Parts: sequence; structure tokens; C-alpha cells
Amino acid sequence: DQQVKQNSPSLSVQEGRISILNCDYTNSMFDYFLWYKKYPAEGPTFLISISSIKDKNEDGRFTVFLNKSAKHLSLHIVPSQPGDSAVYFCAASGGGTYKYIFGTGTRLKVLA
Amino acid sequence: DAGVIQSPRHEVTEMGQEVTLRCKPISGHNSLFWYRQTMMRGLELLIYFNNNVPIDDSGMPEDRFSAKMPNASFSTLKIQPSEPRDSAVYFCASSAGLSSYEQYFGPGTRLTVT
Repeated sequence: DQQVKQNSPSLSVQEGRISILNCDYTNSMFDYFLWYKKYPAEGPTFLISISSIKDKNEDGRFTVFLNKSAKHLSLHIVPSQPGDSAVYFCAASGGGTYKYIFGTGTRLKVLA
Repeated sequence: DAGVIQSPRHEVTEMGQEVTLRCKPISGHNSLFWYRQTMMRGLELLIYFNNNVPIDDSGMPEDRFSAKMPNASFSTLKIQPSEPRDSAVYFCASSAGLSSYEQYFGPGTRLTVT
């Protein structure tokens, strides 16, 4: 049973436009959420995180939004750049455990 | 710092053989995690250690899988005997502690079992 779901396996966006990547979770005990970015043949790298006490966190072109009632988070990238083309994983942890539960990833392609 | 180091980067082996994957965490990091990535299930946590002690191995799929961390700078993940369904990319990650949420991943080992 997937506790963290990324229902869109892929997304294509034009350079300069907004990319929106979505993630849903089922466990209400999750209290910390992260996004990781992965390029081919490399390990995932941390991008941005958000605690459940917030509903938004911003870092440069990247903003994560958290809707606790809907158990939904999203990553916005504005403006999108070709170098943003990668696989993006959302992850969640909480409930007294430090384990991350990862989604299956969304492959973003930013078209020049 | 060189980051998390994993070896080998690629491993091709025949079914039934023993496979050992190696990881050197970032110096000073107290927590180490082993993950497996497949297309169907994404990134799955197999086991994690804190201060060299296994904390949670509930993600280890079968008794064929075992992991050790004999000291703070080295960990192994062993599969014996290996099966074709074990083919995946295996990642090691480390963090400064369990309370530090950012994990730093190694480049992964791509395992192919024929």
C-alpha cells in the first residue's frame, strides 16, 4: 500500500512556464515532507522541505505548498529551466519514526 | 567532502550468486540508510542504522538480504542468494543524525541479476 503517491509519472513544461508537481499521502501521522531531485546515474539530492505546522515554504524558484486537510502537497517551479529536467520524488516522515516514505517519482521535462 | 561513496557502481551477476554492496557515509554522519529503487515501487527504505546499530530493518524483503555496519565509516548490504527480481538500483544515504531530516544519497549501485 503506497502511503505516498505521485500519480503523474511524467510532465512536460515549456521553459519559463510554471511546473507543478503533485503528491498525495494517506498517513495523517506524517509531519514532515521533502522533495528530492534526481538526475540520471546520480543519487537523489535534497531540494526543499516543509513541516506540517506550515502551509508554504519558498526557496528561490521553488515553493512547496501543503494542504493538510486534503493530505496533498505540491512543488511549484517558477520559472522552469531546462536544467530542472529530472525526476522529482516527494517523501514524508513522522509518527515518531525518522523513516522517509518516498513516492514513485515524476519525471519533469522542461522544453527549451 | 567526497560525499557518500558506493561501490561498485554496476554489478552484473548470475542468479544464485552472493552480492555485496558497499557504502562509505559522509564523515561525521551518525545515521545510514539503504534504499532500493525500482520502476514499480520507487524508492523503498530497506534498513537504517543509527550509531552503527540497526534501528529498523522492516523493509528488508527477505532473509536473503542482510546489512551490517561494523564501524562509523562503512556499511555493507549483502544478498545471498541473488535472484533476478533483486535487479534494481541500490542507494545508500547518510545524515547527521536521526533528528536531521536531510539525507545525503550516494550515486547508487545498479545491480543486474541474470
